[in-house]
Amino acid sequence: DVKVTQSSRYLVKRTGEKVFLECVQDMDHENMFWYRQDPGLGLRLIYFSYDVKMKEKGDIPEGYSVSREKKERFSLILESASTNQTSMYLCASSPRQNTEAFFGQGTRLTVV
Amino acid sequence: GQSLEQPSEVTAVEGAIVQINCTYQTSGFYGLSWYQQHDGGAPTFLSYNALDGLEETGRFSSFLSRSDSYGYLLLQELQMKDSASYFCAVEGDDKIIFGKGTRLHILP
Repeated sequence: DVKVTQSSRYLVKRTGEKVFLECVQDMDHENMFWYRQDPGLGLRLIYFSYDVKMKEKGDIPEGYSVSREKKERFSLILESASTNQTSMYLCASSPRQNTEAFFGQGTRLTVV
Repeated sequence: GQSLEQPSEVTAVEGAIVQINCTYQTSGFYGLSWYQQHDGGAPTFLSYNALDGLEETGRFSSFLSRSDSYGYLLLQELQMKDSASYFCAVEGDDKIIFGKGTRLHILP
């Protein structure tokens, strides 16, 4: 069974902390994505990667960075967490052709 | 840039048919996908259209018109378990962009 695993289901962090969200996929997919989901705004793309050590900005990259040192792992980093980054974060992976994305269960991050 | 438009909410009766429309503006278009998301769950893939026409998978069908930058998801024989949010998504330029989602309410 294919799987995308996010390291935490719930996180509470303080303003100014550096936050790491980890995502691992076991499908040997080339492409990986980080989205945030907020009510009424749908899924907004933060960053994506189509190969190891490659990364591209999505629509809302400000305040975030990513790392992809291995094909199966894609990390989202909040350099200095702020309250407006409180959200649900979803990681996804897909094969090169992007015909189907598989999502992790999400991390609900609260910044206080 | 890329943008997708879909209705925010749709209501239908159990056993009926409902259509959720999606229009898009994008560069580097390769295909249109549909995803379902139940409350508290992750989005799950329903269908993908790369070419014009209708794709059928059980009770769900998806349609694409590339010339009109338009697609729709058709759900037949609605069941209460179909109550969820439905997202259209465009694949292009190595990335997948999602619409804001349509909340489907089903009445008994």
